Amino acid sequence: DQQVKQNSPSLSVQEGRISILNCDYTNSMFDYFLWYKKYPAEGPTFLISISSIKDKNEDGRFTVFLNKSAKHLSLHIVPSQPGDSAVYFCAASPAGTALIFGKGTTLSVSS
Amino acid sequence: DADVTQTPRNRITKTGKRIMLECSQTKGHDRMYWYRQDPGLGLRLIYYSFDVKDINKGEISDGYSVSRQAQAKFSLSLESAIPNQTALYFCATSDAIAPKGLFFGPGTRLTVL
Repeated sequence: DQQVKQNSPSLSVQEGRISILNCDYTNSMFDYFLWYKKYPAEGPTFLISISSIKDKNEDGRFTVFLNKSAKHLSLHIVPSQPGDSAVYFCAASPAGTALIFGKGTTLSVSS
Repeated sequence: DADVTQTPRNRITKTGKRIMLECSQTKGHDRMYWYRQDPGLGLRLIYYSFDVKDINKGEISDGYSVSRQAQAKFSLSLESAIPNQTALYFCATSDAIAPKGLFFGPGTRLTVL
């Protein structure tokens, strides 16, 4: 059973608007959550993370929100730019083992 | 120079052949991982190693084996390749799970005919 779920395979947004990517998880023991970005023909790259003791982390245009009671996190990109078009993976860290990834959401930002 | 390198970058092989994918890193990290990416399935963990003497199975280890030859080298083998092992394979490293996460290599595209 999937422990990290990204239920939207794709998202289309206009340049300058907000992009919101969602992620749900099932294991309440996850202590860290991360977002990765992947362009075609490249490996995923780290984007932003959040500890389970926080509910928000911000880095420039990127903000991650964590709602532990709902076991839900979201990535907000404001304003969206065409260069943000990529696949975004949500990942969770169970203590003492490797990251578990969701299936990814493909974001397309049109100009 | 890239911090995490993978060889080969592309490989086409036939069913039943033995294949080795190699990964090396210059980041000085103790932890190394192999993931595969399939369309619609995201990144799935094959094997991981927290140090040279440590090897752990991931969620999809069947049909694969690994060798941690040194801190900087972690290879993935397919003993007898089959078509459903056609995928994009990524090696990754970390010095800790959080907060910096994983550093990925550029990937190896493997096609098994």
